[in-house]
Amino acid sequence: KNQVEQSPQSLIILEGKNCTLQCNYTVSPFSNLRWYKQDTGRGPVSLTIMTFSENTKSNGRYTATLDADTKQSSLHITASQLSDSASYICVVNTNAGKSTFGDGTTLTVKP
Amino acid sequence: GAGVSQSPRYKVAKRGQDVALRCDPISGHVSLFWYQQALGQGPEFLTYFQNEAQLDKSGLPSDRFFAERPEGSVSTLKIQRTQQEDSAVYLCASKPDRGANTGELFFGEGSRLTVL
Repeated sequence: KNQVEQSPQSLIILEGKNCTLQCNYTVSPFSNLRWYKQDTGRGPVSLTIMTFSENTKSNGRYTATLDADTKQSSLHITASQLSDSASYICVVNTNAGKSTFGDGTTLTVKP
Repeated sequence: GAGVSQSPRYKVAKRGQDVALRCDPISGHVSLFWYQQALGQGPEFLTYFQNEAQLDKSGLPSDRFFAERPEGSVSTLKIQRTQQEDSAVYLCASKPDRGANTGELFFGEGSRLTVL
């Protein structure tokens, strides 16, 4: 069983709308959590990193949250654009040096 | 180049053939990783190099998979006697620092392997 679970598996929204992607993890000992964006046919690109003490962090229209107690993170996308269509992957890193990737949420933004 | 470069971008192999996938990391990056990504799934760890030393190869699925980074820069992932289940995108990533759990990974665009 994957120790990083993402939901939903896929999502379709209209341009301009907001959406929230979820990441639940059981990986430990926790070091940090990163959200990556992967465009079709490309490698993943880091959007943001969340450490244990951080609850919320914004990067433009992207806002990530982390609840280390419940082991949950979310990525909120505001005012979506067509270029936001991609797979969003949650990666949890441990103090032991392991990175565990979720299977991603595929977001499609339609005009 | 400015980013991680992988070649070939696409490779079609007949079952039983050997293939070699190349990764040129960002210049000066100490750490290099190989991942396997099946369609619709996240990347799965294969192996990790710190300079020329292969510190972790626990993710290699079988002894048909072999990776090297002899001079601490370019890396090659070799798959012998390819099988259909080897069909996937193979991603290479690098980062400037030591340690497998810190820092942003910089990914290449991947090599898509199709085994017929």
